[in-house]
Amino acid sequence: DAGVIQSPRHEVTEMGQEVTLRCKPISGHNSLFWYRQTMMRGLELLIYFNNNVPIDDSGMPEDRFSAKMPNASFSTLKIQPSEPRDSAVYFCASSLPAPTSLDTQYFGPGTRLTVL
Amino acid sequence: GQNIDQPTEMTATEGAIVQINCTYQTSGFNGLFWYQQHAGEAPTFLSYNVLDGLEEKGRFSSFLSRSKGYSYLLLKELQMKDSASYLCAVRNYGGSQGNLIFGKGTKLSVKP
Repeated sequence: DAGVIQSPRHEVTEMGQEVTLRCKPISGHNSLFWYRQTMMRGLELLIYFNNNVPIDDSGMPEDRFSAKMPNASFSTLKIQPSEPRDSAVYFCASSLPAPTSLDTQYFGPGTRLTVL
Repeated sequence: GQNIDQPTEMTATEGAIVQINCTYQTSGFNGLFWYQQHAGEAPTFLSYNVLDGLEEKGRFSSFLSRSKGYSYLLLKELQMKDSASYLCAVRNYGGSQGNLIFGKGTKLSVKP
């Protein structure tokens, strides 16, 4: 079975440019999570969808960040305009619905974003 | 508030046993997870505890005490490939169901 798929794997862009990160969750999973990981702050939840509906976006740093999930098999995280402090690894994860022991989150390989 | 603490780094010898501790303060606790993350890779699930006690899974075991807000991950018969970061994560049912709050991770180095 394919795991969580993310693209691109690496992105280098200049400050002010728009960045779009993409995620395809595991088939059958109906919860999707976007995380950001940095050395300083560790792994932080940005936003969480359940059945394509955003449940909690309190982790989204500011209005420059937006996320969508138009259908069960695709989500995007957009940063516009990007800033150097957005440089991080962005992970997408998916799971079956909580609260069961089956709701382990499975992570994609991540997108390493560098904003110059 | 919510807080998860774990040591930043640990070093152990191949073949030995190591215990990685995690303490937490959260509202609405509903499960604790341990993830392993090798450098440059994604976190992968190791274990899950929701009731007090020890869960054993091969060379890895995880313990939970809800009254103490404490968990540990025990790794036995250490191998070089166990060198990685180990992330403790707590699931709560505060404002959002199902999301995890992660600690910053413990970087384990296994020496020959």
